[in-house]
Amino acid sequence: AQKITQTQPGMFVQEKEAVTLDCTYDTSDQSYGLFWYKQPSSGEMIFLIYQGSYDEQNATEGRYSLNFQKARKSANLVISASQLGDSAMYFCAMREPYSGNTPLVFGKGTRLSVIA
Amino acid sequence: NAGVTQTPKFRILKIGQSMTLQCTQDMNHNYMYWYRQDPGMGLKLIYYSVGAGITDKGEVPNGYNVSRSTTEDFPLRLELAAPSQTSVYFCASSQGLTVTEAFFGQGTRLTVV
Repeated sequence: AQKITQTQPGMFVQEKEAVTLDCTYDTSDQSYGLFWYKQPSSGEMIFLIYQGSYDEQNATEGRYSLNFQKARKSANLVISASQLGDSAMYFCAMREPYSGNTPLVFGKGTRLSVIA
Repeated sequence: NAGVTQTPKFRILKIGQSMTLQCTQDMNHNYMYWYRQDPGMGLKLIYYSVGAGITDKGEVPNGYNVSRSTTEDFPLRLELAAPSQTSVYFCASSQGLTVTEAFFGQGTRLTVV
């Protein structure tokens, strides 16, 4: 079974609008971490935001926020005020450190295109 | 800070050749990983290491070998390269057992012809 599911292969958003990228995950652990990474066309992997399973508040980092719904096992990334430079692939990932799954497991990604 | 450094950035191999992708990190991280990313896809784990002298297989280990003789270095060896190994390879590292971000190298684009 897929650990991380990203159901949107591609998304378009108008510049300055907000966009939500979906991510659902599968785990039976109580302690885990959820991550979002950005991969621009240049290829590097850029860490954006992290949410711990015990964190009560949704994580925020500048224009990025994570809409964490634990009961639904979803960790959607919200980008506010989109910019042209936000056009990239976005990957959701999970880590389950206490079940021995220390490496990050990635979803297949969502390609975001920001339109002027 | 250098972070995670991978070499080479690009390489073309002929079928059957071998090569080693180098990865070194200067953050004193215990955990290191090798991922491959096929075109339009997410990252798949090849091998990982939780400390010097300890390695373990990931999701797609066939055709690869690793070693971890020091904390800093985690080379990935391709033996008998095949076209199916054409991919972008990422090395990453992270600190400790708790949930912390992984830092990635710039990637190595490998083509097997």
